[in-house]
Amino acid sequence: NAGVTQTPKFQVLKTGQSMTLQCAQDMNHEYMSWYRQDPGMGLRLIHYSVGAGITDQGEVPNGYNVSRSTTEDFPLRLLSAAPSQTSVYFCASSYPRRNEQFFGPGTRLTVL
Amino acid sequence: KQEVTQIPAALSVPEGENLVLNCSFTDSAIYNLQWFRQDPGKGLTSLLLIQSSQREQTSGRLNASLDKSSGRSTLYIAASQPGDSATYLCAVEAYLWDNYGQNFVFGPGTRLSVLP
Repeated sequence: NAGVTQTPKFQVLKTGQSMTLQCAQDMNHEYMSWYRQDPGMGLRLIHYSVGAGITDQGEVPNGYNVSRSTTEDFPLRLLSAAPSQTSVYFCASSYPRRNEQFFGPGTRLTVL
Repeated sequence: KQEVTQIPAALSVPEGENLVLNCSFTDSAIYNLQWFRQDPGKGLTSLLLIQSSQREQTSGRLNASLDKSSGRSTLYIAASQPGDSATYLCAVEAYLWDNYGQNFVFGPGTRLSVLP
């Protein structure tokens, strides 16, 4: 098993550009989540999904979109990048409910 | 709103010492608590998961306890080694009134340095 994979590892964007952060897991996990990690703020939940076709907002959803068309993939879209979105983004998955979370290696995003 | 704190923020110990990391949460209504390790520039690695009905979990030199009523968890590391140097985070999955969705809240972490 590859576990949870994320691409790209690093990305630099200009303000206003859009992009998609990819996340995939091969463990057949129902639950997938996106977090951002900022110094002094810890990890904060952006969006999550409880299964294919079902998504919901977390603590800091503004400026981000998600979709879940398959169990394996959970991409995160930045619609119009802003410097405030400079952060490290982590994807996580878990199964069954209320159980251990597994994290991907992260994507380090810089918005200029 | 659930809040998670961790004390100390940073800790430096000589190799071989036993140590305790602390995690506190404000609302005892949780499904579980999980301890993670994060190495610089890397993702999070799960260490131990304690369900709300459990009091402790052990894995090798690690032991985590949970006291829901007081809103506390401790991570005990026995015979510390330089390879244990990392940031340790705790996270609670907070209870949801409709039991739908996810609500994980992370602490800020404790940065541990084990000196040879």
